[in-house]
Amino acid sequence: DAGVIQSPRHEVTEMGQEVTLRCKPISGHNSLFWYRQTMMRGLELLIYFNNNVPIDDSGMPEDRFSAKMPNASFSTLKIQPSEPRDSAVYFCASTLMLGNSPLHFGNGTRLTVT
Amino acid sequence: DQQVKQNSPSLSVQEGRISILNCDYTNSMFDYFLWYKKYPAEGPTFLISISSIKDKNEDGRFTVFLNKSAKHLSLHIVPSQPGDSAVYFCAAPNSGGSNYKLTFGKGTLLTVNP
Repeated sequence: DAGVIQSPRHEVTEMGQEVTLRCKPISGHNSLFWYRQTMMRGLELLIYFNNNVPIDDSGMPEDRFSAKMPNASFSTLKIQPSEPRDSAVYFCASTLMLGNSPLHFGNGTRLTVT
Repeated sequence: DQQVKQNSPSLSVQEGRISILNCDYTNSMFDYFLWYKKYPAEGPTFLISISSIKDKNEDGRFTVFLNKSAKHLSLHIVPSQPGDSAVYFCAAPNSGGSNYKLTFGKGTLLTVNP
């Protein structure tokens, strides 16, 4: 089991550019979560998918943020246009939504917007 | 509004001694709690959990205690080992009984000195 795979590990971009973060969940998991970690706000949930369908996107900060899950093995988080305040570590997590099964996190993408 | 609070940003203990990490919550609807451990440049990994119907859950060197009247939980690590040095997050799901929409504390950095 390779775990949750995120790419890239690091992304440095200039303000105004489009950024796409990618995630491959654990095979067989039916739920996928995107979290963002900052010093000020800690870990906060951005959006959650169940069976590839977005269930709750109330944590997405602005319309500049969008997420898709075209199939059970792939999800993207896009920021367009990016701003310096978007700099953070973005984590993807997956789980088999069954009882209290825990989230399995990827190693994150560290985004720096200059 | 921080519903899950970890008031100690850091804790340092000697190898072999007990580590006690604390967490307070404000939402009385929380009925399940989790602890995650995070090493640098990695995603959080699930450590241990507790349901509100219990006041203690033990797994090897790790024990979580829940005091519902005080809205307080703690993680005890005995004996502490240098490999336990990490950031520990307390978390609770907003929707009872599942890991949907976890709210995380801001974490406590534990350093175990050899």
